[in-house]
Amino acid sequence: GNSVTQMEGPVTLSEEAFLTINCTYTATGYPSLFWYVQYPGEGLQLLLKATKADDKGSNKGFEATYRKETTSFHLEKGSVQVSDSAVYFCAGNNAGNMLTFGGGTRLMVKP
Amino acid sequence: ETGVTQTPRHLVMGMTNKKSLKCEQHLGHNAMYWYKQSAKKPLELMFVYSLEERVENNSVPSRFSPECPNSSHLFLHLHTLQPEDSALYLCASSQELGRNNEQFFGPGTRLTVL
Repeated sequence: GNSVTQMEGPVTLSEEAFLTINCTYTATGYPSLFWYVQYPGEGLQLLLKATKADDKGSNKGFEATYRKETTSFHLEKGSVQVSDSAVYFCAGNNAGNMLTFGGGTRLMVKP
Repeated sequence: ETGVTQTPRHLVMGMTNKKSLKCEQHLGHNAMYWYKQSAKKPLELMFVYSLEERVENNSVPSRFSPECPNSSHLFLHLHTLQPEDSALYLCASSQELGRNNEQFFGPGTRLTVL
């Protein structure tokens, strides 16, 4: 079946540090891949997505590249801010109906 | 109202109560979803509706009963719940079913079962 694995948190960084949150997927075929973000007390918001190999999704300074050879979709940001503190979820959609989520990674950014 | 709204935002209920969660989407989407978000567990898909027809039911106990009267509204009826059902229940919608369709989430209902 499909599965998404992402690094466990929490990840604690100082402001302006470089961020990487790893995500790998296992699926039959080639799923669309997504990163969602959940701020405290809110639902999930789509951060970025990629629908085919070598696609790069980007938004608000975050980027992730769909790597077919390593089945990965790692999230990166060059300089994090305190306002980026949230839980980040990697997800894949292969079968149309089923969006499979990773376990979430909590990011804490300190001033 | 814009996006996906959920009511109530917080709910406390006893194991013998009957309550309902409501979700409404103002996006003109055709597909709607219920998810359960528990502490220390991945987000779990519960139900999927497309054009008011249920297309997915992920082995959810019968004490959870969904209803989709039209493409804008989705309900989750609750009865005789257990304490382990305490969680954040998230509703989402997408334009259509399909691998490229972004899902838009509501803020969730925080449910506590005593």
